[in-house]
Amino acid sequence: GENVEQHPSTLSVQEGDSAVIKCTYSDSASNYFPWYKQELGKGPQLIIDIRSNVGEKKDQRIAVTLNKTAKHFSLHITETQPEDSAVYFCAASSGNDMRFGAGTRLTVKP
Amino acid sequence: GAVVSQHPSWVICKSGTSVKIECRSLDFQATTMFWYRQFPKQSLMLMATSNEGSKATYEQGVEKDKFLINHASLTLSTLTVTSAHPEDSSFYICSANPPSGTVNYGYTFGSGTRLTVV
Repeated sequence: GENVEQHPSTLSVQEGDSAVIKCTYSDSASNYFPWYKQELGKGPQLIIDIRSNVGEKKDQRIAVTLNKTAKHFSLHITETQPEDSAVYFCAASSGNDMRFGAGTRLTVKP
Repeated sequence: GAVVSQHPSWVICKSGTSVKIECRSLDFQATTMFWYRQFPKQSLMLMATSNEGSKATYEQGVEKDKFLINHASLTLSTLTVTSAHPEDSSFYICSANPPSGTVNYGYTFGSGTRLTVV
């Protein structure tokens, strides 16, 4: 089955700096890669996603890149703000089954 | 669109009792819903896939007799934790996948249920 690895497990940045979170996946059949933001005590919320026919996608301060050959994808957050502090999960799916990375706890220091 | 409602948001129960958690898709029909368990500071672990009108598919290591799943309609799936024990205390989250072609294609999660067994 699919195995998703996520790094780093914790990330601390200064407000205004960029943050990058990286994930790798094992199943070459995976074709959908979402990123979720989870705040304390709440369910995960989709913030951006990318499909295997696209190499990069951007939405304001958030961007995701995908390298199918290397089987890795990354989340980039620019101009970080304190409200970006949360746990971020990557995931990979080849259909109806989705597997998650272990999560990255991002702390943005004001 | 693509809203998933989960209830209750938190529950405290005594050991040996059963607890039911509901997951509803409010503005779309979901033939498949998913139940996850999340321990503190850990990732989401898929417990089972709930299929409308048929038996749920459980992940390896998940006791199907302990975690009863019912998906009786296209908008409702329930997870019942039977004979709960303190080790069942966790954050349970459901998700559903809106039909392909809708605007928010991709998993939508409920807000989670914090279960504490005392």
